[in-house]
Parts: sequence; C-alpha cells; structure tokens
Amino acid sequence: DIQMTQSPSSLSASVGDSVTITCRTSQYINNYLNWYQQKPGKAPELLIYGASNLQNGVPSRFSGGGSGTDFTLTINSLQPEDFALYYCQQSYNTPITFGQGTRLDIK
Amino acid sequence: QVQLVQSGAEVKKPGASVRVSCKASGYSLNSFTAHWLRQAPGQSLEWMGWINTDNGNTKYSRKFQDRVTITGDTSATTVVMELSSLRSEDTAVYYCAKLYFDILTGYQFFEFWGQGTLVTVSS
Repeated sequence: DIQMTQSPSSLSASVGDSVTITCRTSQYINNYLNWYQQKPGKAPELLIYGASNLQNGVPSRFSGGGSGTDFTLTINSLQPEDFALYYCQQSYNTPITFGQGTRLDIK
Repeated sequence: QVQLVQSGAEVKKPGASVRVSCKASGYSLNSFTAHWLRQAPGQSLEWMGWINTDNGNTKYSRKFQDRVTITGDTSATTVVMELSSLRSEDTAVYYCAKLYFDILTGYQFFEFWGQGTLVTVSS
C-alpha cells in the first residue's frame, strides 16, 4: 500500500496569511494526487485533482503542485472559511489511501 | 444536481452486522463505480471498496475483504455496504462516494459524497 505522509499535522494562521501543506508518498505516483477540504460534521470536498488542477468552483487562492512523491497545497490570503481539515489522497493504485490530515486553525 | 443520500445512524453490538445504503439521484449509478470509505472519530479517511453497478464487479480493500460486501440494486440507483463481525474499532462515519474517472488523463477523484452514516459499535 502507498503510505501518505502529510506535514504539518496542524498549523495556526491568521486571516490573510498564506500557508503550505506538504504530502509525501512512499512510492512514485506521477501526479495522481488529490486534495480535499473537510469541515466538522461534513463530507470532504475536492479542491485539487491531478496534483495541480483546480476543481470547478474552488477559489483561485488554492493551488497545488508537485509530482512523483512530493506535493504541496498552498492557500493564499486565507479566508475565515478556509480553517478546516485538509487531506491528500493518491489515486495511482488501489487501495486508495489518504494522508493523516492537516488541521488548519485560526491564530 | 447529483446527490447521494445515505441511510441513518446505526447502533450495533459487537459481532453483529450493519447495512448502510446509498441512494443516488440526478444520475444513474450505471457505468460508474460507487465507493465506500469510513472515518473513525478523529482519524483520517479509509477506503473500503467499490462496486461497478453496470456489471456488478467489486473490489475490496484487503483489510476488509473478509467482512465487507457491497451490492447494487437492479435499478442501479442504490448501493448497499454490509460490514459483518463488528467490533468497537468499526465505530466510524461511513461514506459512499462517486468516483470521477477521466479516461484521457487517468485522473480519478471523489467528486460527490453522501452525507455520511454514523455506525456505533458498543455493548
């Protein structure tokens, strides 16, 4: 199984800040990497697919990068609604696996 | 608008089985794969398996393959996940999700999710 390691596991930031979350995979996955946002009591929502493609309707302050085994999710100019949990997920092979999550809190 | 509506919360005793259903509206489940995932309290997401309701093919995670069964009804609007031999560690929110697959790029991602079903296993 492909192991997914996200860092940091949590971070605090202020409205207007920019933050970057990283995701490292235990083996090569090309760019088959997705990012999701999850708010309390809700199902995850897709932000980025294929490592760098913004899902329809997602604000442009979200961006993704990377390929191979190292990936990033960057959020520019944080808005109050961005404080949530973030997960990376690989779709390179089964079993589909997720990172352990990054909790983004307001400072 | 695509919607996946899951059945309600369940409380089960250890050793019992649970069935969680997922009804699709806004599209037919034919020719798509419907996946099941779960999320234990405070934990990340865990993929359990999928069904192709067009042909009935299934694929399960090795972790669950001895205990999980995913089925689809003949009208292809509802899928059901059954998990047997429940233990306390199975307490989680269970999600169904529709996977989008782009045949040109190979990109796959969960584009629609059910609302989640809390399954509590407690004696």
